[in-house]
Amino acid sequence: NAGVMQNPRHLVRRRGQEARLRCSPMKGHSHVYWYRQLPEEGLKFMVYLQKENIIDESGMPKERFSAEFPKEGPSILRIQQVVRGDSAAYFCASSLSGGVTDTQYFGPGTRLTVL
Amino acid sequence: AQSVAQPEDQVNVAEGNPLTVKCTYSVSGNPYLFWYVQYPNRGLQFLLKYITGDNLVKGSYGFEAEFNKSQTSFHLKKPSALVSDSALYFCAVRDANRGSTLGRLYFGRGTQLTVWP
Repeated sequence: NAGVMQNPRHLVRRRGQEARLRCSPMKGHSHVYWYRQLPEEGLKFMVYLQKENIIDESGMPKERFSAEFPKEGPSILRIQQVVRGDSAAYFCASSLSGGVTDTQYFGPGTRLTVL
Repeated sequence: AQSVAQPEDQVNVAEGNPLTVKCTYSVSGNPYLFWYVQYPNRGLQFLLKYITGDNLVKGSYGFEAEFNKSQTSFHLKKPSALVSDSALYFCAVRDANRGSTLGRLYFGRGTQLTVWP
């Protein structure tokens, strides 16, 4: 009974490169959320997706960041032309129904370091 | 605006003693409240949640939390702390009346709990 899977666990990129973070939700879950955790801070919401749909992307920077959750395969968070300020831990969560009372279950995170 | 405050960055307690990790929240509508725990280099693990009903919620690993609407608080408690409880604890809230932003959780900054032997 696998939980939320994220890969890679650690990712190092040089400024200007692209970062691709992948998230596979728990079995049976079709709702995915991405959060970013900066050092010494709590998690900040970025984007909420359902299969093939972006439900809420109001927490995601307008430029360089994009997210998708295709019909088949994992959800992808893509950061183009990374900068040092993008260094953070990125967590993905999934839920069964997306309802307000539904619990979000988190993956182990991807720690992005931009050199 | 929706927000969560965890007023203590650190809580230290001796093993066997009761522990409390504080959380207060601000939402415009009805709050749905959650506690998560994070161990080093790991993701967040769900502990418990308050949706409605009994103000005292029981969760995993012997933890419980008390919802207090008048004080807008949702403090995490455990009657007898264990060394293995040492971790980073996050309180989160979801606002039931936020339309398209229903999905998001608002997190506090976290409280580092240290239980010494």
